[in-house]
Amino acid sequence: SAVISQKPSRDICQRGTSLTIQCQVDSQVTMMFWYRQQPGQSLTLIATANQGSEATYESGFVIDKFPISRPNLTFSTLTVSNMSPEDSSIYLCSVPDRTGLQETQYFGPGTRLLVL
Amino acid sequence: TQLLEQSPQFLSIQEGENLTVYCNSSSVFSSLQWYRQEPGEGPVLLVTVVTGGEVKKLKRLTFQFGDARKDSSLHITAAQPGDTGLYLCAGGSSNTGKLIFGQGTTLQVKP
Repeated sequence: SAVISQKPSRDICQRGTSLTIQCQVDSQVTMMFWYRQQPGQSLTLIATANQGSEATYESGFVIDKFPISRPNLTFSTLTVSNMSPEDSSIYLCSVPDRTGLQETQYFGPGTRLLVL
Repeated sequence: TQLLEQSPQFLSIQEGENLTVYCNSSSVFSSLQWYRQEPGEGPVLLVTVVTGGEVKKLKRLTFQFGDARKDSSLHITAAQPGDTGLYLCAGGSSNTGKLIFGQGTTLQVKP
């Protein structure tokens, strides 16, 4: 498994502002995933972040709203831009298993965002 | 579009009871993952099943992957309050590495 940390762990933000969430992994990985978990809901994939290329976004998510950086193989950031109360969610990053199935993923602790 | 239907969504039982959570899809998955998530934490991987008909046991938890790799179940024997949490199934694609998550089952085990 991988050790994954996220910063900040939680934040309360005003609408119209932006927040950048960091994800750090203890080993080099090609792919990193960003998910959103709305209150009381399951996980929805926002995008896949590959080092050295643009992130690939899922249907319903766009780069202008959720810009992603992947400067190296152990780090990624997700920015939630021009926030509204509907963006209040848990944001999670994950990485695939390096030694087993690539579709087995390990998750960070999440960033709990509340937008007022 | 691949979908995973997870049921039940909520389950409240007494300590010592047995329970089963189901995940069903019309799509074939290359693997099926089960996660458990506690409040304030990220999902923690419990098991991965990859072979149709596969059964894996983790102490009091038994996981099964359907023969056609379209469905899975999680059975907990003699549930304990420490089993309380959100259980998530996720279907995996070996082509993309992506996961499709079920809606989750919130389990409460009362002492």
